[in-house]
Amino acid sequence: QVQLQESGPGLVKPSQTLSLTCTVSGGSISSGDYYWSWIRQHPGKGLEWIGYIYYSGSTYYNPSLKSRVTISVDTSKNQFSLKLNSVTAADTAVYYCARSDDFWSGISAFDIWGQGTMVTVSS
Amino acid sequence: DIVMTQIPLSSPVTLGQPASISCRSSQSLVHSDRNTYLSWLQQRPGQSPRLLIYKISNRFSGVPDRFSGSGAGTDFTLKISRVEAEDVGVYYCMQATEFPPTFGQGTRLEIK
Repeated sequence: QVQLQESGPGLVKPSQTLSLTCTVSGGSISSGDYYWSWIRQHPGKGLEWIGYIYYSGSTYYNPSLKSRVTISVDTSKNQFSLKLNSVTAADTAVYYCARSDDFWSGISAFDIWGQGTMVTVSS
Repeated sequence: DIVMTQIPLSSPVTLGQPASISCRSSQSLVHSDRNTYLSWLQQRPGQSPRLLIYKISNRFSGVPDRFSGSGAGTDFTLKISRVEAEDVGVYYCMQATEFPPTFGQGTRLEIK
């Protein structure tokens, strides 16, 4: 079965760039059947969708973060990545990668999630 | 963005008894294709969210049939027919009718 695993630094300094990678196992990003998202959860709070990428490289970002976010895909490694620049303490959160099918033609929900990785922004 | 509001924020329930969580959206979730993209997720303590229900009332693979979803337009409900100990956690509604997808603030289900 498909599994997702986030990886990356757990501590980032203010004003620097947060970089995370999600490795997909048990299935191929290139199958074209799914979209690959990043979602975050501030400590003790709810969930915020950051953006998604399709295997072709097309992306869609949450307008609230769009100016600071880049999501990329490496199909050869079956990975996709998140970069969030100019981070502040407000970006401290658990970051999840998640899978969804094609919005508005399938179940349109996040059916597989990674275990999440905590990222703290602090000097 | 569509705002999702859940009621209650905390729900103490007795094992074996039913539980109900409400979710209201700031605008109709009926898409132009006539589908309503409202889903429910469960987050057990220390775990990632898990999909329970999609498109209002469809149980995802492996989800026990004690979980059911209903509603239309802007008002939706998740029901658990008989709460079990493993149901403890936080439940979120989520809309994907309009981008960006947005989530409710979560309802904490706890055992009395």
